Amino acid sequence: GAVVSQHPSWVICKSGTSVKIECRSLDFQATTMFWYRQFPKQSLMLMATSNEGSKATYEQGVEKDKFLINHASLTLSTLTVTSAHPEDSSFYICSVQRGGQETQYFGPGTRLLVL
Amino acid sequence: AQTVTQSQPEMSVQEAETVTLSCTYDTSESDYYLFWYKQPPSRQMILVIRQEAYKQQNATENRFSVNFQKAAKSFSLKISDSQLGDAAMYFCAYRGAIYGGSQGNLIFGKGTKLSVKP
Repeated sequence: GAVVSQHPSWVICKSGTSVKIECRSLDFQATTMFWYRQFPKQSLMLMATSNEGSKATYEQGVEKDKFLINHASLTLSTLTVTSAHPEDSSFYICSVQRGGQETQYFGPGTRLLVL
Repeated sequence: AQTVTQSQPEMSVQEAETVTLSCTYDTSESDYYLFWYKQPPSRQMILVIRQEAYKQQNATENRFSVNFQKAAKSFSLKISDSQLGDAAMYFCAYRGAIYGGSQGNLIFGKGTKLSVKP
């Protein structure tokens, strides 16, 4: 397995502010990190895929200017929700994948509530 | 495009009994990986078991085993000796074997909520 951390675990913010979520791979270098969004009682929806040192690849319908992803190192990726609005309230989960391997390991998730 | 279907939104099992969760998928690829992930109330996604499509032998992990039928594109999960801690949402997922781009991404089913009765 793998140990993946996310910080913060939950955040409440006012509408219009920006929120940064960190995802860290603690026990191996992750060449690829993924960001998902999950609404209550629904499945995971892939938002973007990021590889260290290159621009993230966003899924169709995901606004890249709103959800900024930075994969600064092989152990850290950040998701910044810019100018957050109540409809951005959701559960955000990251996952990591080692180069050449097929299994993704997930972080514990971040609950975002925008008031 | 690949799709994953879990036709059972909810399932229930008595403690110590056996339950099978269904999953079917659609793909034109010949090589791929299949996974079952568990999401308990904490919402942490936990890998339960994985299967390489090129392997005919069904994967097993302690009380968890799969019935992989490649021709039928079926990948069911059997939980034996069910425990209260098995209560969770279970997601079936598909990943193509070709690395990179969207083909390297996981495609999830909608999930099956498993309840375990004491």
